[in-house]
Amino acid sequence: NFMLTQPHSVSESPGKTVTISCTRSGGSIADTYVNWYQQRPASAPKAVIYEDNQRPSGVPHRFSGSIDSSSNSASLTIAGLQTEDEALYYCQSYENTRLIFGGGTKLTVL
Amino acid sequence: QVQLVQSEGEVRQPGSSVKVSCKTSGDSFSDLIITWLRQAPGQGFEWMGRIAPIIGIPTYAQTFQGRLTISVDKSTNTGYMELDSLTSDDTAMYYCANSHDYNWLDPWGQGTQVIVSS
Repeated sequence: NFMLTQPHSVSESPGKTVTISCTRSGGSIADTYVNWYQQRPASAPKAVIYEDNQRPSGVPHRFSGSIDSSSNSASLTIAGLQTEDEALYYCQSYENTRLIFGGGTKLTVL
Repeated sequence: QVQLVQSEGEVRQPGSSVKVSCKTSGDSFSDLIITWLRQAPGQGFEWMGRIAPIIGIPTYAQTFQGRLTISVDKSTNTGYMELDSLTSDDTAMYYCANSHDYNWLDPWGQGTQVIVSS
């Protein structure tokens, strides 16, 4: 079993770039794909990155994903922040048949 | 593009059961992998299980073994999640989602609020 750990919150100004980390404990971050979801208040989650660095159709190019084996973590980067990006962001991976989620990071766009 | 529409919220007494539906449209039902998750108030996501309609055999998270039933009705392109022996700890928003390659989830249903209270 492994866990995914995210910072509780991050904040940045409109127009800036922010990076949210997701650190894997147990096994290598490269062992399985990492996916990212955006959840706005009172809304269902929406995938913004899948398979480490792929953008689903309709997701702006401002959203990008990567993994770093040296820190055993995945990252979601949002460039050119907009107020509409303010939301909770969750990373997710899997082990055998089970899906594993990080605890979520609240992004505040000041 | 597949769409998932869930049933309305429910209030249940402790010890009872709840059944939530997830009606799909827009894509071949047989191509989907319907996954169920829940999110307790202020908490993250907990994976509950999944079923591929083309196979028809569900997989359950160990936490829910014995009191969770996931099923599909191919005649109406609808998935179902039934949870028995409810306690207050089962109060949560329940989501269905389509799983791609048993990996990532898209799209999600709008969620169904289940409240367990006496």
